[in-house]
Amino acid sequence: KQEVTQIPAALSVPEGENLVLNCSFTDSAIYNLQWFRQDPGKGLTSLLLIQSSQREQTSGRLNASLDKSSGRSTLYIAASQPGDSATYLCAVHNNNDMRFGAGTRLTVKP
Amino acid sequence: DAGVIQSPRHEVTEMGQEVTLRCKPISGHDYLFWYRQTMMRGLELLIYFNNNVPIDDSGMPEDRFSAKMPNASFSTLKIQPSEPRDSAVYFCASGPTGGNEQFFGPGTRLTVL
Repeated sequence: KQEVTQIPAALSVPEGENLVLNCSFTDSAIYNLQWFRQDPGKGLTSLLLIQSSQREQTSGRLNASLDKSSGRSTLYIAASQPGDSATYLCAVHNNNDMRFGAGTRLTVKP
Repeated sequence: DAGVIQSPRHEVTEMGQEVTLRCKPISGHDYLFWYRQTMMRGLELLIYFNNNVPIDDSGMPEDRFSAKMPNASFSTLKIQPSEPRDSAVYFCASGPTGGNEQFFGPGTRLTVL
């Protein structure tokens, strides 16, 4: 059974800092891994999708990496902004099943 | 509580037919979300409701898709007419006041031939 863990559970940084969020999973036989942003009262916003054959994906200030063999993914956020404050979730899709991590609550202070 | 209930679990239909997917959220939850999952695009938000009112439907791919929530315990996602590219797993999720959590249903696997 796939288990997804996100570290840290919460993170607070000053504006402008670069930061890394971590996601680990126990079963490396995945189809893809997806990073989401969750804001209170809204649906999940997909940030980046990494297929199992890929190593990384980039979108703007975001970069996600995937290392299947070690069961790890990171989400790198460059030059953080107060608007980046949200909960970030990673989700792993394998064998007709999707598992979410518990999320990292990010606060970027002006 | 039984959790979020979706029906049917599997649906196979032919192109051009109308498809209706159903969702019963967890009792007491104010939010209801519809997502679509494909291998190529991952999980995508289609629409969500708060207190039965649609809040954001910007993820609905086109006019063939419509969603309703006539009451707090029931929602439908309709595709008319269906096309093969609509084949996906459709998830419904509900969440309590505050919108910080989402509880997913088991999904409906739709195949359009």
